[in-house]
Amino acid sequence: GESVGLHLPTLSVQEGDNSIINCAYSNSASDYFIWYKQESGKGPQFIIDIRSNMDKRQGQRVTVLLNKTVKHLSLQIAATQPGDSAVYFCAENIDTGRRALTFGSGTRLQVQP
Amino acid sequence: DAGITQSPRHKVTETGTPVTLRCHQTENHRYMYWYRQDPGHGLRLIHYSYGVKDTDKGEVSDGYSVSRSKTEDFLLTLESATSSQTSVYFCATASGGAGDTQYFGPGTRLTVL
Repeated sequence: GESVGLHLPTLSVQEGDNSIINCAYSNSASDYFIWYKQESGKGPQFIIDIRSNMDKRQGQRVTVLLNKTVKHLSLQIAATQPGDSAVYFCAENIDTGRRALTFGSGTRLQVQP
Repeated sequence: DAGITQSPRHKVTETGTPVTLRCHQTENHRYMYWYRQDPGHGLRLIHYSYGVKDTDKGEVSDGYSVSRSKTEDFLLTLESATSSQTSVYFCATASGGAGDTQYFGPGTRLTVL
């Protein structure tokens, strides 16, 4: 399948544990943030988003936290499963005029059974 | 998924030949994007479209052109392919509404020999 990255930071967790993936974003003016999951050979898949007027948002087994003071975004996955193994990207909407996203380099999550 | 298909899914070509990649969507989304994904660089925006016949450059547009004659189709053309354009290409769409979430296609792996 399509290669995502050869030298990505990797987070290895045991099945059933909680995972926390971190992202530092670049622009204090960004107003919208998204987490994507990319499995081998596939395109990025939307997981959860958050706007800059919020500091926390929850989905099914996932929570995104936004700390605007230090420009930090995190994705928490509860009860991590083998199917969660993938590369995770954060993205920020720096250029609201173009509605274009800027992506982080990604973190590889490996779930050990 | 936002009903996005890309064709071809794999292509091998020679330096100096023209190549056209096609993105087709069935969601009637206004915005469409072309990205390339390379190890160590993440996803980088090549060109995007904000409507039929309305396109603009991204951060890595040199050597690429695009066309959008219908809402559902967005074509990416490499006029004269070079080895540096060997990459995985992803198309994405967005409705342009309040969410601005981008949804991705499955990707095209292009190899330029």
